[in-house]
Amino acid sequence: DAGVTQSPTHLIKTRGQHVTLRCSPISGHKSVSWYQQVLGQGPQFIFQYYEKEERGRGNFPDRFSARQFPNYSSELNVNALLLGDSALYLCASSFQTSGDIQYFGAGTRLSVL
Amino acid sequence: SQQGEEDPQALSIQEGENATMNCSYKTSINNLQWYRQNSGRGLVHLILIRSNEREKHSGRLRVTLDTSKKSSSLLITASRAADTASYFCAGWGGSTLGRLYFGRGTQLTVWP
Repeated sequence: DAGVTQSPTHLIKTRGQHVTLRCSPISGHKSVSWYQQVLGQGPQFIFQYYEKEERGRGNFPDRFSARQFPNYSSELNVNALLLGDSALYLCASSFQTSGDIQYFGAGTRLSVL
Repeated sequence: SQQGEEDPQALSIQEGENATMNCSYKTSINNLQWYRQNSGRGLVHLILIRSNEREKHSGRLRVTLDTSKKSSSLLITASRAADTASYFCAGWGGSTLGRLYFGRGTQLTVWP
């Protein structure tokens, strides 16, 4: 079975642009979470979606948005990119919303120039 | 903000030695998980220990949990060069459902 897949693997953007990152969860998983990891830090929670509804949001500005589709895949959108948005963006899926093992994808490396 | 702290931040050992990493967390947690990350790639789940468990084993891994001290430890026995990676503890809990709280991680280097 395929694990969590993310696309693209790498992305280079300039300040002010917007970006869309994509994630496909493990088959059967209905929960998708997004995390941002800057160099030298642990992942920081951005969003969780479960059954196409937002179930949690971290301390990120409104420039960050996400959605989940009927097939449980998800998109993370970031508008008006800043240099500080450069990071590894990780997607994770799980059966439940909380207390369960979260399985992570390989991530999307975003560089903002 | 980081809710967990791993200690030490960096650990360097020889192959065959044991590696012990500690994790302390600030908020009350439900379950605690340990992950491994190789060179900025995705996180690989190692082990989950539930809040009512005190110790758990998986292969060369041994995890302990002390909820009264809000701390956990990960022991890797007979380490190998392939164990070189960053190790993170992460806990479910706090006011936001579906949020895993991660520490800053321990960078483990195992020399052949």
